[in-house]
Amino acid sequence: GNSVTQMEGPVTLSEEAFLTINCTYTATGYPSLFWYVQYPGEGLQLLLKATKADDKGSNKGFEATYRKETTSFHLEKGSVQVSDSAVYFCALSLERYGQNFVFGPGTRLSVLP
Amino acid sequence: GAVVSQHPSWVICKSGTSVKIECRSLDFQATTMFWYRQFPKQSLMLMATSNEGSKATYEQGVEKDKFLINHASLTLSTLTVTSAHPEDSSFYICSSGLSYEQFFGPGTRLTVL
Repeated sequence: GNSVTQMEGPVTLSEEAFLTINCTYTATGYPSLFWYVQYPGEGLQLLLKATKADDKGSNKGFEATYRKETTSFHLEKGSVQVSDSAVYFCALSLERYGQNFVFGPGTRLSVLP
Repeated sequence: GAVVSQHPSWVICKSGTSVKIECRSLDFQATTMFWYRQFPKQSLMLMATSNEGSKATYEQGVEKDKFLINHASLTLSTLTVTSAHPEDSSFYICSSGLSYEQFFGPGTRLTVL
């Protein structure tokens, strides 16, 4: 089946620290991969995405590279800010309009000043 | 990107009453919309797929008579929680897919007293 695994949180970092949130997946086909972010009390927002192997998605200083050989899509940021505190969801999609859209369990990030 | 709105953003109701949540695609036509439920500190759980002009498809374990879905137009899907009980209190999020990407509404927080 299709599934997404993320590192367990919560993750607590000091401001300007380096962030890595691991994400691995299993899929029956060739998925597109996504990172979504959810700020407190809000819905999900797309952070970045990659649709094929070796693609790198990037946005707001966050990056993730689609690694087909390791079935991974780890999220990184060189210097986190307090405003990055949120829950981060890794997800995959196999279908054009979102059927079989599978989310990971989410990783809560807290950044301390 | 595409915009999905939800209304209301939060609602408090008494046990036994029904609550309707609207999901609208503001700048694109959505033949399919998805309804998710999110319990505190957990990931999104797909409840059902709403199909314009036909019956919704419910995930296993979701009561279709309790969570009524109507997709009457290409821009509007509604979720009605009938005879709500405190255990139905949750964050309900809708989404619609477009070209390998899902766009999420901001969510509706339902509290049943």
